[in-house]
Amino acid sequence: GAGVSQSPRYKVAKRGQDVALRCDPISGHVSLFWYQQALGQGPEFLTYFQNEAQLDKSGLPSDRFFAERPEGSVSTLKIQRTQQEDSAVYLCASTPGGGMGNTEAFFGQGTRLTVV
Amino acid sequence: GESVGLHLPTLSVQEGDNSIINCAYSNSASDYFIWYKQESGKGPQFIIDIRSNMDKRQGQRVTVLLNKTVKHLSLQIAATQPGDSAVYFCADGSGEYGNKLVFGAGTILRVKS
Repeated sequence: GAGVSQSPRYKVAKRGQDVALRCDPISGHVSLFWYQQALGQGPEFLTYFQNEAQLDKSGLPSDRFFAERPEGSVSTLKIQRTQQEDSAVYLCASTPGGGMGNTEAFFGQGTRLTVV
Repeated sequence: GESVGLHLPTLSVQEGDNSIINCAYSNSASDYFIWYKQESGKGPQFIIDIRSNMDKRQGQRVTVLLNKTVKHLSLQIAATQPGDSAVYFCADGSGEYGNKLVFGAGTILRVKS
């Protein structure tokens, strides 16, 4: 596809359930980012990959959050034992080169996670 | 009930008027700033960016102004159109790899026809 694709678009999970969110970045894009956006707020950085290497995971809120990009393309964000405070939209973005400086980042539509 | 975070500042403008959206940032070390537009149910969409060695940059119908002295950004939209209605976020780049965008709280722009 032409843009960043995320699936599923919506996910409802029972508290304590594990979830996996998928991101297909734009083909050939080196860098991939995950952000979390709570209702009515700006996105907050979670983690960053350059190819398959996870260079920055400083934004992951707890050890229940895990992200991977094993082949340097598709990425999965996994949340274990979901809690209600995990409810948010999870956004994925990609850029052609390393980092976000001086280059346009393309965001997907996001996955809206609701934990009940 | 609603949380404080839902009470984003709102700017209402008449179609055809110019809009000015303001943003303050806190990291004086940031050297890259971006404006994003986010429509309901969509991801943020890049509008325009500016580096810290500039104080003004123009795009199509948009201008970004940067005042590093007071750590202030503004986005000017000329001849605002109904399609401009959205939430607008400023963001500054940080992180060792220039990878981390720190987003502001956002401003709702409503265009009245």
